[in-house]
Amino acid sequence: DIQMTQSPSSLSASVGDRVTITCRASQGISHYLAWFQQKPGKAPKSLIYLASNLQTGVPSRFSGSGSGTDFTLTISSLQPEDSATYYCQQYHSHPRTFGGGTKVEI
Amino acid sequence: EVQLLESGGGLVQPGGSLRLSCAASGFTFSNYAMSWVRQAPGKGLECVSLIDGPGDNTYYADSVKGRFTISRDNSKNTLYLQMNSLRAEDTAVYYCAKDRPPVAFDYWGQGTLITVSS
Repeated sequence: DIQMTQSPSSLSASVGDRVTITCRASQGISHYLAWFQQKPGKAPKSLIYLASNLQTGVPSRFSGSGSGTDFTLTISSLQPEDSATYYCQQYHSHPRTFGGGTKVEI
Repeated sequence: EVQLLESGGGLVQPGGSLRLSCAASGFTFSNYAMSWVRQAPGKGLECVSLIDGPGDNTYYADSVKGRFTISRDNSKNTLYLQMNSLRAEDTAVYYCAKDRPPVAFDYWGQGTLITVSS
């Protein structure tokens, strides 16, 4: 199985800050990487697919980059509503695997 | 509007069985792979199983292989997860998710809680 490692596991930042979360795959996954946002008690929400494509309706302050084994999710200007846990997921091969999550606190 | 509604959760004893259902609407169900993703209390996400649109191909996480069976009834727009030999570590919220290549999981249900405890 492909292991996905996210860092950091948590971070605290201020409104307006630029925030970067990294995700590393244990083997190459090309660009088959998705990012999800999850708020407490809610289902995950799709943010980014194919490493860098913004899902419809997602604010443009979110962006993704990377390919192969190393990926990043960037929030260019952190907003209060961005407080959540973020997960990466590879869908290059089965089983689909998620990173351990990054909790973002404002 | 896409809707996914899980049901069938509850309390079950270790070694017991349970069947989850996910009723889908708002899209052509048979055209899309579907998945069950679980989240143990306070933990991360785990994709436990996935089934393709026709129901011909299934995939399982090692943690549930041989105990869980995913299936679908495309005539009823419903996804299922039969869970046998349940263990305490299966306690989690179980979500169904729609898989739309190349977007991956674009829609999720609200989840249903399974508690395995004596």
